[in-house]
Amino acid sequence: DAGVIQSPRHEVTEMGQEVTLRCKPISGHDYLFWYRQTMMRGLELLIYFNNNVPIDDSGMPEDRFSAKMPNASFSTLKIQPSEPRDSAVYFCASSFSGQGQGGYTFGSGTRLTVV
Amino acid sequence: QKEVEQNSGPLSVPEGAIASLNCTYSDRGSQSFFWYRQYSGKSPELIMSIYSNGDKEDGRFTAQLNKASQYVSLLIRDSQPSDSATYLCAGGAAGNKLTFGGGTRVLVKP
Repeated sequence: DAGVIQSPRHEVTEMGQEVTLRCKPISGHDYLFWYRQTMMRGLELLIYFNNNVPIDDSGMPEDRFSAKMPNASFSTLKIQPSEPRDSAVYFCASSFSGQGQGGYTFGSGTRLTVV
Repeated sequence: QKEVEQNSGPLSVPEGAIASLNCTYSDRGSQSFFWYRQYSGKSPELIMSIYSNGDKEDGRFTAQLNKASQYVSLLIRDSQPSDSATYLCAGGAAGNKLTFGGGTRVLVKP
């Protein structure tokens, strides 16, 4: 299995631009999570899906952030417009409920820099 | 307020010694606990899970859970330089959702 695949690995954008991060979970996994990691705040859960349905988006910082999961093999996290404080590493993770809680597999992450 | 607390470190241990990492949590609804290892510039990797009070051993790693004290720990025996990383404690309640601590940085010195 190729694991959780995220793209792009690095993104540098100017303030005000739209940014789209992409994630392909492990086939068969029914949970998908988007996390953001910074030195100051650590790993923060932004939103998670179960069977493609958003379950909890309380961690999404502002209306500028949105996430979709149109099918079981693809999810996007969009920031529009982007701001310098959005600079962070964004991780996607997936898990399978049948293997017990918490068996997350993380993607390699997208390092976002907003200048 | 973070629901999972860890000492940020760095925890410096000599090669071959035991590294002891601690974690406390505030959500009494948490039922399962995990330790993830994260190397610099890499993604977190699951190394241990524990669901019941007591100890759980896997190779050089031992996880300990005390739900009454809301305390989780990780012991790394015979520490190696390759164990130098940040270790993240996480607690889970409902719905496969985990809350992570800030991580403890471990440095193993040869």
